[in-house]
Amino acid sequence: DTAVSQTPKYLVTQMGNDKSIKCEQNLGHDTMYWYKQDSKKFLKIMFSYNNKELIINETVPNRFSPKSPDKAHLNLHINSLELGDSAVYFCASSPPGISHTEAFFGQGTRLTVV
Amino acid sequence: DAKTTQPPSMDCAEGRAANLPCNHSTISGNEYVYWYRQIHSQGPQYIIHGLKNNETNEMASLIITEDRKSSTLILPHATLRDTAVYYCIVRVWEAAGNKLTFGGGTRVLVKP
Repeated sequence: DTAVSQTPKYLVTQMGNDKSIKCEQNLGHDTMYWYKQDSKKFLKIMFSYNNKELIINETVPNRFSPKSPDKAHLNLHINSLELGDSAVYFCASSPPGISHTEAFFGQGTRLTVV
Repeated sequence: DAKTTQPPSMDCAEGRAANLPCNHSTISGNEYVYWYRQIHSQGPQYIIHGLKNNETNEMASLIITEDRKSSTLILPHATLRDTAVYYCIVRVWEAAGNKLTFGGGTRVLVKP
């Protein structure tokens, strides 16, 4: 009954490959996010989707393309992987409305590009 | 969003209260103070948030100064499982796309 689940948990791949990370939330939230945590442990937002529409795109290279088939899913596709893409990627979701409730994060996907 | 300043690390004895300070001197009137923590190898976890008044929940208490330029997160009885990086974030609430901007946080080590 995990609230926000990501797959895979670990991903090791070679430079130049294309890979995807999947995210699903069963909380009924309207908004989903992708965050990147680099080797220095800084967490930065990459994208945000609200009801399947892109609302935040934080100057992420075009090689990264989020896709939201429905509001419970936000997948991250990465083309032509580079060494610098190695990081932990976190998916998150938050509810809509005027309440200031929190964001729920997944357990992360550790991507290693070799 | 306003920037925050936190000490990079602090130790705390198990069973004692842990007081985590955060400076946000440039906070604006419509910005909230949020606290999250990240336990090793896990995703960030929401702890508490507030605007002006002090707040308490089952995890912690949040004390915000009257001028709102600083706040303190209090873990009343720290346990070993509270060892984590604690992030103080200030931001305006938006109807959609509530972006969280994480800083360096405070690495808290709870010792037996």
